[in-house]
Amino acid sequence: GAVVSQHPSWVICKSGTSVKIECRSLDFQATTMFWYRQFPKQSLMLMATSNEGSKATYEQGVEKDKFLINHASLTLSTLTVTSAHPEDSSFYICSAKSPGGETQYFGPGTRLLVL
Amino acid sequence: QKEVEQDPGPLSVPEGAIVSLNCTYSNSAFQYFMWYRQYSRKGPELLMYTYSSGNKEDGRFTAQVDKSSKYISLFIRDSQPSDSATYLCAMMDSSYKLIFGSGTRLLVRP
Repeated sequence: GAVVSQHPSWVICKSGTSVKIECRSLDFQATTMFWYRQFPKQSLMLMATSNEGSKATYEQGVEKDKFLINHASLTLSTLTVTSAHPEDSSFYICSAKSPGGETQYFGPGTRLLVL
Repeated sequence: QKEVEQDPGPLSVPEGAIVSLNCTYSNSAFQYFMWYRQYSRKGPELLMYTYSSGNKEDGRFTAQVDKSSKYISLFIRDSQPSDSATYLCAMMDSSYKLIFGSGTRLLVRP
């Protein structure tokens, strides 16, 4: 149980385009999901907290107009990187809060390369 | 001072060895403690989570929490080459956010 999926697993796009990443909890409902970014050989950096039916809460330094988050249902959150630039190339990982709130389950990650 | 400190490694051990991974933390409000395993280019995989001080065992893995010392450990018995990965400790704060250690890279040599 407790499976979280992400789609796509990797994406290459041209500079200036927008990219949408989906995060789904497959076998449980997640009122809260989280979006992280990870650079090579570094730990995960929390970007934002996504609550179902309400606006996301962004961490300091994360541009909310650039990283649009939508959590329209209890099993789906999306991250849209708008007007992507090469510096946005990274590994994006989502997680879902467990129903009891005691832990988070992570997706497999999405590798984004902006050319 | 970081809220969570983790031995950076890398840690290299022979197959079959017992591995000890450790983290210390400064925020006494942390309530849940987790260990994740992350393979290269993959998302973190939850190994164990604990709430109270004491030990919790799952197969070859044992998680230990000492709240009085603000110290957590993960022990891996009979380590295998497939255990080679980065191990992340994480603590959950009151807003359900995870505070991660920097990760310890483990290499188990055949």
